[in-house]
This record gives sequence, C-alpha cells and structure tokens, in this order.
Amino acid sequence: DIVMTQTPLSSPVTLGQPASISCRSSQSLVHSDGNTYLSWFQQRPGQPPRLLIYKIYNRVSGVPDRFSGSGAGTDFTLKISRVEAEDVGVYYCMQATQFPRTFGQGTKVEIK
Amino acid sequence: QVQLQQWGAGLLKPSETLSLTCTVYGGSLSGFYWSWFRQPPGKGLEWIGEINHRGGTNYNPSLKSRVTISVDTSKSQFSLKLSSVTAADTTVYYCAREIIVARGAFDIWGQGTMVTVSS
Repeated sequence: DIVMTQTPLSSPVTLGQPASISCRSSQSLVHSDGNTYLSWFQQRPGQPPRLLIYKIYNRVSGVPDRFSGSGAGTDFTLKISRVEAEDVGVYYCMQATQFPRTFGQGTKVEIK
Repeated sequence: QVQLQQWGAGLLKPSETLSLTCTVYGGSLSGFYWSWFRQPPGKGLEWIGEINHRGGTNYNPSLKSRVTISVDTSKSQFSLKLSSVTAADTTVYYCAREIIVARGAFDIWGQGTMVTVSS
C-alpha cells in the first residue's frame, strides 16, 4: 500500500494568516495514464469529508479560491491563503493512483 | 442535486454480518464509481472498496475476505456487506460517489452511519 504522510498533524493559525499542509507519498503518484491522482478533503466535526481539490490542483466548484493545491511525484501541498473561521477542521490528502486508496493521517487546522 | 442516503443496522453482535445500503437520489449510477469508506470516531479514513454500475468491483486487500459490494441499478442503490464483524469494525461508515474520469474525486458523500459491534 502507498503510505501517505501529512505534516504538521496540528496547525494553529491566526485568522487571516496563511496555512500550509504537506503530504508525502511513499511512492510516486504518477499513474500509467500520466495523471496524478492526489486529492484533498476537509472534514468538519460530525460531517462527512468534503472534496476540495482533485488531481493535485483542480479545485471543486464552490470551494473558495483561497484553497490551492500544488506538487508533483511524491510531494504535495495544500495552502489556505487567508484562514477564515469556517476553515477549522481536519484536512486529509488521499491517493487514488493505486489500490487500495489511502489517506494521510489528517491535519487539524484550528484558530489560535 | 445528487444526494446519497445511506441506511442499515447500527448495532451488531460479534460474528454477525454488517449490511448497509446507499441510495442515489437525483442522478444516475452510470458514469461513476461508488465507494464505501469507514472512520473510527476521532480517527482517520479507510477506503473499503468500490463498484461501478456494471458491477465491477475493487476491494481493500485488508478487508477483501469479508467484504462484498453490490449494485442494484433498478433501485439506484449500492450495498456493503461485511461478514464476521468484531469490535474492531465499530466505526462510522460512509458511502461516496467518485467521478470516473477524475479518480480520487469523491465529490458526494452519504451522511454516515455509526455501526457498533458489541455482545
């Protein structure tokens, strides 16, 4: 299985300041079809995960543009340009290049 | 607007079979993959397996011997069965839709079902 490692596991952020979450995979996520299937999810307490970004940097309709994804190969980053109160939650990266799909441990974003 | 509504027994005894169903409202099963996930309270997410509208499946090897995912296109439903449950299977289960041309794009999720295994 591909192991996904996120850092940090906790990120206290001041409102209006940026936040960055790193996700590293144990092997390249480049699929044989040339795509890289790396997604980011946000999960608020008591809610199912919400898809934010897929294929590294493709933001889902309705997701604020303060969220952005980047990276390649084995190293990926989710950035929030200016954290707002509604961004509090746990963020997960997930790879869908290989079966089984695997997730990072999650990064808790909270307000200082 | 597509919605997933999941349902099933929330309390099981050890060795019983977990059975959950997810109904797709407002959309078609074709053109997507349909997955099950689980998440112990306060912990991370685990992918269980997937099915397409033709019945093609992929399972997580860690659960493959106990898992069956099936689809009923006439009812716009897909289902999860997990046999021989133990306390370790106590967790929240989610169903989700994945866009076929964008693997990993699980864009619609069910509300989650808490399943407890206890004697």
